[in-house]
Amino acid sequence: NAGVTQTPKFQVLKTGQSMTLQCAQDMNHNSMYWYRQDPGMGLRLIYYSASEGTTDKGEVPNGYNVSRLNKREFSLRLESAAPSQTSVYFCASSGTGGNTEAFFGQGTRLTVV
Amino acid sequence: GENVEQHPSTLSVQEGDSAVIKCTYSDSASNYFPWYKQELGKRPQLIIDIRSNVGEKKDQRIAVTLNKTAKHFSLHITETQPEDSAVYFCAAWYNNNDMRFGAGTRLTVKP
Repeated sequence: NAGVTQTPKFQVLKTGQSMTLQCAQDMNHNSMYWYRQDPGMGLRLIYYSASEGTTDKGEVPNGYNVSRLNKREFSLRLESAAPSQTSVYFCASSGTGGNTEAFFGQGTRLTVV
Repeated sequence: GENVEQHPSTLSVQEGDSAVIKCTYSDSASNYFPWYKQELGKRPQLIIDIRSNVGEKKDQRIAVTLNKTAKHFSLHITETQPEDSAVYFCAAWYNNNDMRFGAGTRLTVKP
């Protein structure tokens, strides 16, 4: 049982490059999330998906797009990376309803130079 | 939108002492309040949670209290140990599918 798996673990991009962060869960969860973590700012929600086929903006969606490919997979895309997007990105999943434990992936450390 | 405030940002205690971290939230409809522990370079992991129909919950050395009227909840760690050193995050669910986190508290337990 792998839980939540993110790829890649580390990535360096040049300003203006694009990339997609992949996330998959094997817990049959309906809800999936993307957060970014910056020093002193905790975890900030970028986008979430309450179920397959739906996505919604969180606190800091600008510069990102997401795709809920199926129930298992939720990807985050940076179309034109900027230095301000240097951060650690976490994917998470949880059961439906908003009152159940969220499980996190191991994180992706992204540096934009 | 939902806002979660967490204090203090850093906390240093002597081994064996207690540690208390406090959070406030803005959305009165929030009904689930988890606490996560994040060790250096690792993912956040749930350590305890509380739902709005409960005022207090305890699990060994960890307890959480909730005051819905005042919209604040607290994490209490007793008999702290060096392995309790980590960053702790409170969170509150907003609109059932949107979980917002506090900024985190870096707890250091000195041996």
